Amino acid sequence: QVQLVESGGGVVQPGRSLRLSCAASGFTFSNYGMHWVRQAPGKGLEWVATIWYDGSYKYYADSVKGRFTISRDNSKNTLYLQMNSLRVEDTAGYYCAKDPSGGGSPGWFDPWGQGTLVTVSS
Amino acid sequence: QSVLTQPPSVSGAPGQRVTISCTGSSSNIGAAYDVHWYQQLPGTAPKLLISDNSNRPSGVPDRFSGSKSGTSASLAITGLQAEDEADYYCQSYDSSLSGYVFGTGTKVTVL
Repeated sequence: QVQLVESGGGVVQPGRSLRLSCAASGFTFSNYGMHWVRQAPGKGLEWVATIWYDGSYKYYADSVKGRFTISRDNSKNTLYLQMNSLRVEDTAGYYCAKDPSGGGSPGWFDPWGQGTLVTVSS
Repeated sequence: QSVLTQPPSVSGAPGQRVTISCTGSSSNIGAAYDVHWYQQLPGTAPKLLISDNSNRPSGVPDRFSGSKSGTSASLAITGLQAEDEADYYCQSYDSSLSGYVFGTGTKVTVL
């Protein structure tokens, strides 16, 4: 079955960096677009970034543009989110999710990983 | 901030029908982008409930149904059950933002 497992979360000071990983299994990872979505404690869902199946196209929410970088290693079936210049307001649970296609056509997110918590605090 | 608006909460007795609205604009739902719905049980990751406005993935009970019209969409739950108590989110794509957007979320309470 399709499985996504995030890792890399933790407590970090404002201005520092963190890299999240999402290990994928149960499907041909290199055929599908992938997403990152976050949820601040007690708040709603916020889309963060999307990458196409081959990594050729990436796009970001305005709130993270220029600070976060989404990438993937299809040989390792792994998705990444490099987060730089972290802010207190980046504190959230971060989920990776699979796209129903290569990423070129807007679709839905399914399934989701269990999430990894990032806390930005001094 | 969310560009899709949902009621903060809805409630109903077991067996009743409840609906959740999702109101967008001409750059997202009104631009013919599809709407998808997710259920988030307490302490868990969101789960896809409805895709492409009205399609139920395998395993989702037929008590859940979705529809879309104009700049809005709605999720209906018929025969409400205690296990349906959760947060529900709509999601679409916004051409002005060039990105995905989620609704503000609705908490469903079973009385």
